[in-house]
Amino acid sequence: EDKVVQSPLSLVVHEGDTVTLNCSYEVTNFRSLLWYKQEKKAPTFLFMLTSSGIEKKSGRLSSILDKKELSSILNITATQTGDSAIYLCAVMKTSYDKVIFGPGTSLSVIP
Amino acid sequence: DAGVTQSPTHLIKTRGQQVTLRCSPKSGHDTVSWYQQALGQGPQFIFQYYEEEERQRGNFPDRFSGHQFPNYSSELNVNALLLGDSALYLCASSADFREQFFGPGTRLTVL
Repeated sequence: EDKVVQSPLSLVVHEGDTVTLNCSYEVTNFRSLLWYKQEKKAPTFLFMLTSSGIEKKSGRLSSILDKKELSSILNITATQTGDSAIYLCAVMKTSYDKVIFGPGTSLSVIP
Repeated sequence: DAGVTQSPTHLIKTRGQQVTLRCSPKSGHDTVSWYQQALGQGPQFIFQYYEEEERQRGNFPDRFSGHQFPNYSSELNVNALLLGDSALYLCASSADFREQFFGPGTRLTVL
C-alpha cells in the first residue's frame, strides 16, 4: 500500500534556528513530490520536485528530492514566528494525479 | 484571478443526515480532487473528477459521492452521516498534472 511518512511529527524551535523536515515515501508509479504549508485551513503550495538532486529554493525555504533513497527534505533557514505551521509532504502518482499525503510536521517557532 | 472557492465554510449536521459541499476550481483548471482531513492528520484522498467523470477514488465508502459540472465546479455528497465523518473537507483543483491548489475547506461537524 502506498505510504508517505514524515519526521519529526512536531518540532519546537527558536527564531533564527535552521530546521530540516524529512519525508520518505513508498509509492508505486511515482511522478513527483510536493510540499505544502498549512496554517489554518487551505494548504498552500511550496514546491514540486520531480528530478532527483536538483534543489528548489524560495527565499529561506529550500527542498531537494532523492529518488534513490525515496526521500525529500525541506529546509527552513533563519526561522521566523510566521513559519509556524504544519508542513505537508505529498506524492503525486503517474496514474492521473492522485496525491497521497503524509501526516505532516507541526512546526512551532517561538520568539 | 479567483482561487479555489468552497461553500459553506462551516456546517453542523446530525447523524444520519445528508450533506452537500461545493467547490469552484481556480480559473483554467479542469480537474477537481476532494480530500478529508481529520484533526491532526494529513488530507486523505476521497476522489477526483475530470471531464465530469470520477477518474480516481480513494478508500471511502459509497456514502461519499460526487459530481462535476460542465463549468468544472464540483459537489461532494455524503449520505447517512456518521460521527466519524466530522472533518475538514478540502477541494483542490489542478490542470495538466501540475500542482494542486487548495480551497479554504469546509469544516463539517456531525453531532
